[in-house]
Amino acid sequence: LAKTTQPISMDSYEGQEVNITCSHNNIATNDYITWYQQFPSQGPRFIIQGYKTKVTNEVASLFIPADRKSSTLSLPRVSLSDTAVYYCLVGDGDSSYKLIFGSGTRLLVRP
Amino acid sequence: DTAVSQTPKYLVTQMGNDKSIKCEQNLGHDTMYWYKQDSKKFLKIMFSYNNKELIINETVPNRFSPKSPDKAHLNLHINSLELGDSAVYFCASSPQYTGANVLTFGAGSRLTVL
Repeated sequence: LAKTTQPISMDSYEGQEVNITCSHNNIATNDYITWYQQFPSQGPRFIIQGYKTKVTNEVASLFIPADRKSSTLSLPRVSLSDTAVYYCLVGDGDSSYKLIFGSGTRLLVRP
Repeated sequence: DTAVSQTPKYLVTQMGNDKSIKCEQNLGHDTMYWYKQDSKKFLKIMFSYNNKELIINETVPNRFSPKSPDKAHLNLHINSLELGDSAVYFCASSPQYTGANVLTFGAGSRLTVL
């Protein structure tokens, strides 16, 4: 079964760059690594997805090393509205049909 | 137009009762899921269906029975509710179940068992 590890919480200030790392072993070879954001009383919302190296979209970047045993979500210049819980999602190496969430990182952005 | 809708949003019931949560997606996706989020915010897969066929049943007690009448719907029925069933249940859907898979989630159904 895939095992994932994320920091429980992180603090930052507005305008700073925030990097959140998820360690994951035994993930599915063919599956992508995806990150989600969750606000209170809402479902998780897709942020970014990648397979290897670096991916960038309008809200974040995702860095995945060649061994794919970790991934780092990078949020440039965070604002108060980025305060949320962030999860990585990976496919289980024993059964890629099974998508496993990381434990989540609670990000608090201060003014 | 809500992409993944769940009903009810809140459910308060007594131990031993039976309850259902309904989920519908209008995205044309083939795969649907149920996840359970506990009080510590851990999200755990319960079931996954692809084109109405069960492909994941993650050691969930038999009291939980998913039903997929068509690929746009995945309902969750829970028998003999227990205190430990209190959680937020999220339905999700995706175009397929492997590869570059992006899940779209509903807003959640908060179940409280008294």
